[in-house]
Amino acid sequence: NAGVMQNPRHLVRRRGQEARLRCSPMKGHSHVYWYRQLPEEGLKFMVYLQKENIIDESGMPKERFSAEFPKEGPSILRIQQVVRGDSAAYFCASSTPWRGGPKTQYFGPGTRLLVL
Amino acid sequence: AQTVTQSQPEMSVQEAETVTLSCTYDTSESDYYLFWYKQPPSRQMILVIRQEAYKQQNATENRFSVNFQKAAKSFSLKISDSQLGDAAMYFCAYRRSDSGGGADGLTFGKGTHLIIQP
Repeated sequence: NAGVMQNPRHLVRRRGQEARLRCSPMKGHSHVYWYRQLPEEGLKFMVYLQKENIIDESGMPKERFSAEFPKEGPSILRIQQVVRGDSAAYFCASSTPWRGGPKTQYFGPGTRLLVL
Repeated sequence: AQTVTQSQPEMSVQEAETVTLSCTYDTSESDYYLFWYKQPPSRQMILVIRQEAYKQQNATENRFSVNFQKAAKSFSLKISDSQLGDAAMYFCAYRRSDSGGGADGLTFGKGTHLIIQP
């Protein structure tokens, strides 16, 4: 009964490179959320996806960041041309598609991105 | 926009004692959900407890309980019989109800660092 899986757990990139973060939701969950946690801060919502659809990307920076959740395979958060300010922990969460309930979000272990 | 405020950056409690972490929020919605998550040094986010705003009864999970005051927009977490394993950052979070449509993303407070003194 695997939980939310994220990989890699740690990622080091140099300025200007691309970072690609992957998230596999819990079994039976079809909704995925991405959050960013800067040092000494709480988590900030970035994007909410269902299979092949971006439902809400109100928290995504307008440039360099993109997310997808294809029909097959994990959800991907892509950061192009990374800068030092992108260094953070990126968490993925998943929930069931059922409406009318709390749709509790269960979190993965996070990916720590360090930009040199 | 909804906001969540945790006014205690750090709290300390003796092992086996009781501690209460405070959380207030601001919303114009009448239906929503509230959560407490725990983040130990491993940085994994772990759900502690959740509360539906339409329920008057306070949620309880073993040693963890909440004091939900809807009119005051307050949602405090009480930890009884504190254990060393409770040491962690605790985050309060808000999510609007599906009935209102719109975003499902959680809004988090900045967290309270809980220290357990042996």
